[in-house]
Parts: sequence; structure tokens; C-alpha cells
Amino acid sequence: EDQVTQSPEALRLQEGESSSLNCSYTVSGLRGLFWYRQDPGKGPEFLFTLYSAGEEKEKERLKATLTKKESFLHITAPKPEDSATYLCAVQASGSARQLTFGSGTQLTVLP
Amino acid sequence: NAGVTQTPKFRVLKTGQSMTLLCAQDMNHEYMYWYRQDPGMGLRLIHYSVGEGTTAKGEVPDGYNVSRLKKQNFLLGLESAAPSQTSVYFCASSPTGGIANYGYTFGSGTRLTVV
Repeated sequence: EDQVTQSPEALRLQEGESSSLNCSYTVSGLRGLFWYRQDPGKGPEFLFTLYSAGEEKEKERLKATLTKKESFLHITAPKPEDSATYLCAVQASGSARQLTFGSGTQLTVLP
Repeated sequence: NAGVTQTPKFRVLKTGQSMTLLCAQDMNHEYMYWYRQDPGMGLRLIHYSVGEGTTAKGEVPDGYNVSRLKKQNFLLGLESAAPSQTSVYFCASSPTGGIANYGYTFGSGTRLTVV
């Protein structure tokens, strides 16, 4: 059974205080690892896809990295508008594109 | 371009009542999905469809039925609602190719309360 565990559950940062979110996974053959951002009352919004260990993707203040067992979402010099819940998901080889999601990290960036 | 539209946005049901949640996408996507999101449990897959006229069970299908009569629409039905079905329901779609670049496109969700 595919599993995704995210930590911490919640994270409070001061504006400009860099940090990382963790996503640990077990999957029967990784086809892709996805990061999403979810704002309150809205659906998740796609951020990145990572395919193989060592891969990195960047978007503004966010950088996602991937190892064989986990992924990190690094947030550099965050701003209050980065406050959201960040979701990690995996897609297994042979699946009909179904994603298995973690329960998310709720990030709050204080001004 | 509306993307994925879910109706209704909110609904309160009494135990035993039935209802249908509608998901419509205007991106010509082949794949569509229904997820439920509960506190501390993440998004869990209920049912999915890989094309018009096809449906398949996901992780938590019990108590739900789905239909995909038209490519652009994916309906989720609750025949006899139970309090355990209180949740936020999300519909998503993805193209045949290109999920890697764009992931899923999600709707804004339906908040369902069963009393």
C-alpha cells in the first residue's frame, strides 16, 4: 500500500525565516511525486512534479527536492502570502494516474 | 476558461437522504477523479474515470456511486447519506498526457454536512 507522511503538521515562521517541509513516502515504483498548495476554502493548486532522486524544481521562493525515500519543499525568505497548506502526493507505476496524498503541512508566515 | 466547476458548493443533508454532486470540466480532459478531504487524513480517492462511459473504484468507494455519461461531466451520488460522509469533496481532472507538467486541475470543492 502506498503511503505518504508529511511533517510537521503545522509550521509558523516569521517573514524571511527560511525552512523546509518534509514528505516521506513508500510506493510500489514511483512514477512521480507532486507538490500542491491549498488555500483555505479552495482546491489544491499544482506546484511541481519530481520524477527521480536528485531532481530539483524551483518556483519563486519554493524549491522541491527528491530522494529515494523523501522529498523536501524548501521555502526561502517566505512572505505572508506563502501561508497555505502544502500537500505532497505520489503516483505509483502502473496506476491510472491516481495520486496518494499526505495530510499536508499548514504553513503560517507572520509579518 | 472555467477549468473544473463543482456544484453545489455547500449542502446539508439529513441521514438517509440522497444527493448528486456534479463536476464539469471544459479542458477536454480524459481522466476525472472524486476525492474527499477530512481533517488529518488528507485527500482520499473515492472513484475515478479514465474516459467517457468508464468508472472505477478508488480507496474509499463504499456508499458512493458515480457516472460519466459525457466526457466533460463526472457525477458523484450518495444514495443514503450517513454522518460519516460529512466531508469536503473535490473533483479533479487530468489530460491523457501532460499530468507531469500540470498535475491535476481541482475544483473548488463541495462542503457536505450530514446531520
